[in-house]
Amino acid sequence: IAGITQAPTSQILAAGRRMTLRCTQDMRHNAMYWYRQDLGLGLRLIHYSNTAGTTGKGEVPDGYSVSRANTDDFPLTLASAVPSQTSVYFCASSDSSGESYNEQFFGPGTRLTVL
Amino acid sequence: GQNIDQPTEMTATEGAIVQINCTYQTSGFNGLFWYQQHAGEAPTFLSYNVLDGLEEKGRFSSFLSRSKGYSYLLLKELQMKDSASYLCAPADSNYQLIWGAGTKLIIKP
Repeated sequence: IAGITQAPTSQILAAGRRMTLRCTQDMRHNAMYWYRQDLGLGLRLIHYSNTAGTTGKGEVPDGYSVSRANTDDFPLTLASAVPSQTSVYFCASSDSSGESYNEQFFGPGTRLTVL
Repeated sequence: GQNIDQPTEMTATEGAIVQINCTYQTSGFNGLFWYQQHAGEAPTFLSYNVLDGLEEKGRFSSFLSRSKGYSYLLLKELQMKDSASYLCAPADSNYQLIWGAGTKLIIKP
């Protein structure tokens, strides 16, 4: 693995189904993020994690949950998918500390369609 | 509230120079990032400004004025591969990035 990976690349999902988007990084970054990107809108933060074992809510957390059991993995779960969750989902990571800030590195994205 | 303003779309000619402006309002400020995003791909880091002034990196430069809540990205010697969206993203007091909708740059031969 080089950098940050996401799976699946794309998915079509029936409304009401449960879905987990996977994200793995091998850069040992402490911080990880989930964004959604919709046409005409900026990236919107769903959830984030500043370090393994901790998570926080972003701008649009409703309908999504995350966990951070270890440094490398940060899965995003849609408990019961709805059509408004149709979007492109990006996972990102950064080597951030409280006194400095480094750029975020993005995975290739997951294109999710909820019907 | 927090707000980012940048033009929706710009067109420029190959070999020319283009300036993409961004104005922002955030709760606190911890620097400003510019990212490039080609269609169907992930954003990639271009530049970071935390102090006022110009940061130059090859054909790309980025400027910041914290007092004016203003930044711009300057692209010189435009190439066709520069056709992409350019995202302005200041970091707020919690170091969370606030993303603009992006400026789609179209390069014509």
